[in-house]
Amino acid sequence: DVKVTQSSRYLVKRTGEKVFLECVQDMDHENMFWYRQDPGLGLRLIYFSYDVKMKEKGDIPEGYSVSREKKERFSLILESASTNQTSMYLCASVGWTESPSYEQYFGPGTRLTVT
Amino acid sequence: SQKIEQNSEALNIQEGKTATLTCNYTNYSPAYLQWYRQDPGRGPVFLLLIRENEKEKRKERLKVTFDTTLKQSLFHITASQPADSATYLCALVGGYQKVTFGIGTKLQVIP
Repeated sequence: DVKVTQSSRYLVKRTGEKVFLECVQDMDHENMFWYRQDPGLGLRLIYFSYDVKMKEKGDIPEGYSVSREKKERFSLILESASTNQTSMYLCASVGWTESPSYEQYFGPGTRLTVT
Repeated sequence: SQKIEQNSEALNIQEGKTATLTCNYTNYSPAYLQWYRQDPGRGPVFLLLIRENEKEKRKERLKVTFDTTLKQSLFHITASQPADSATYLCALVGGYQKVTFGIGTKLQVIP
């Protein structure tokens, strides 16, 4: 089974702190994604990566950065956390060559609260 | 800009009946459309993909239709069960397997 794991299920941080969210997948997938999910707004794409050291902005990249130094690991960084970044953060991965269904495999999510 | 619309309100249905969820989209011509299930506090789980040249796809009690003229997909669950209660997300697949999600429809199956 594909496994996508995220470093924390729940996280509480203070305004202005630097926050790291880590995502690891064990299926050698090329593409990885970071989303945030908020009530009434659904899943919104923050950043994605289609290869090591490659990254592309999604729909709402402001206030975030990412790092992909190894194929299996994709990190989301909040440089200076703000209260409007309180949300559920979800990581996903998908392979290029496998899966003709382009199935996204999601992690369990990190519920981040910024106070 | 691209827009995906799903019934944002909850859909309540009696156990054993067929649930039908609707997904409409604008300003997009996707080659693929997906449906996911999401339970509270968890990440979405993939259910089905349908291609633009397919009119219908089935998997067990699930059926998906895709009308590229109407820009609409319908998702059916036949013989619905309380365990089918969840939020169902419609998603459009673009380049780099980038997926745009609708906000989902919450389905409640009443015993």
